[in-house]
Amino acid sequence: EVLLVESGGGLVKPGGSLRLSCAASGFTFSRWSMIWVRQAPGKGLEWVSSISSTGSDIYYGDSVQGRFTISRDNAKNSLYLQMISLRAEDTAVYYCARVQYGSGLLGAFDIWGQGTMVTVSS
Amino acid sequence: DIQMTQSPSTLSASVGDRVTITCRASQSISNWLAWYQQKPGKAPKFLIYKASSLESGVPSRFSGSGSGTEFTLTISSLQPDDFATYYCQQYSSYSSMFGQGTKVEVK
Repeated sequence: EVLLVESGGGLVKPGGSLRLSCAASGFTFSRWSMIWVRQAPGKGLEWVSSISSTGSDIYYGDSVQGRFTISRDNAKNSLYLQMISLRAEDTAVYYCARVQYGSGLLGAFDIWGQGTMVTVSS
Repeated sequence: DIQMTQSPSTLSASVGDRVTITCRASQSISNWLAWYQQKPGKAPKFLIYKASSLESGVPSRFSGSGSGTEFTLTISSLQPDDFATYYCQQYSSYSSMFGQGTKVEVK
């Protein structure tokens, strides 16, 4: 079974840091570009960051550029999101997903994890 | 930056109804468009890619059409399991990938 499982969410104070993880199984992780998408409570979906299969190409959304770092460890079948200088507006469910049916880093997202909640509050 | 606008924001319908959701891009995205279904507390579910290609396992009552700047998602006969929020997503560029969502609710 193809599966993505996020972890690492929690409550953090403004200005704090958090590292999210996404464990992949059931497919050859190293062949696929991956992304992080977030969803604030009661709001829509927002693309956060994308990383190519080798990690050589990376893109970030404007709202997280300079504060978030995406990375991956293909030997561990894992995707990461390091978040620093967190703000209240970063409060959201964070999903990892696999990129499919596109070109390079751009594509549709065919497999999603269940999400992990990040709450930034004092 | 490309902006994606869905309409309507909310749609009230009954089981058996034909439902159409529109997604407009602020500039041409060719057919680089996907559709997702999301239920409360759950991750989005992938439905359609390349504007009109149905993902494996998705019921045939779902269909997509369009190219350039205007796209539609149609549910031919709404089923109880289809009440949810639907999002379009462009993958022509990294800007503002998702539409704001359309909630399909019980009439």
